[in-house]
Amino acid sequence: QSALTQPASVSGSPGQSITFSCTGGSSDVGLYNYVSWYQQHPAKAPKLMIYEVNKRPSGVSNRFSGSKSGNTASLTISGLQADDEADYYCSSYSISGNSHVVFGGGTKLTVL
Amino acid sequence: QLQLQESGPGRVKPSETLSLTCTVAGGSVSNRNCYWGWIRQPPGKGLEWIGSLHYSGNTFHNPSLKSRVTISVDTSKNHFSLKLDSVTAADTAVYYCARVGGGDWGVNSWGQGTLVTVSS
Repeated sequence: QSALTQPASVSGSPGQSITFSCTGGSSDVGLYNYVSWYQQHPAKAPKLMIYEVNKRPSGVSNRFSGSKSGNTASLTISGLQADDEADYYCSSYSISGNSHVVFGGGTKLTVL
Repeated sequence: QLQLQESGPGRVKPSETLSLTCTVAGGSVSNRNCYWGWIRQPPGKGLEWIGSLHYSGNTFHNPSLKSRVTISVDTSKNHFSLKLDSVTAADTAVYYCARVGGGDWGVNSWGQGTLVTVSS
């Protein structure tokens, strides 16, 4: 069982906007602004898409945006494209235990 | 451009120790602005944080694995390593080495990953 909760799957049509949720608690998402999002295509290593809740690394499309409210973080993809079809994972720094990073279980995005 | 490459056996027997090394190219493990970490992904499943360390020796581990995990760094060889003791079939996974932003905890660079199977 993952520390952060993500829906198993979402789907959308090309051109639409879609939002993923990532729910944690008061020891991780709710406490820190160290939420990251990753995109993973099949048989590939994950790619950082968002860090510190809403910052994009160089080279990541501005169609990807992040936000947070309380214990829930969100990733929004606007103008959905076929190549966006992938698994998306959230992570957060956590004060639980020895203080480390926790991941969500991942959300499979299907572009219809 | 930073490149990370995992190396080590692709198969480990149950109860033995899994050992992997991550060679860093295009950067230095002595970079004080980042951490170096290990993340794994069982086949068909999600990502699991194993642990991370700073070249100074400061380490963080997943509490569920902490007693079995050793992460170390060799600045002379510019690489860092993972040892996981007493492995079982549940430790079968793709293991990724990674660079972690020291101030933001985002994993901003990943190795290609290496599949380690625990089997006799």
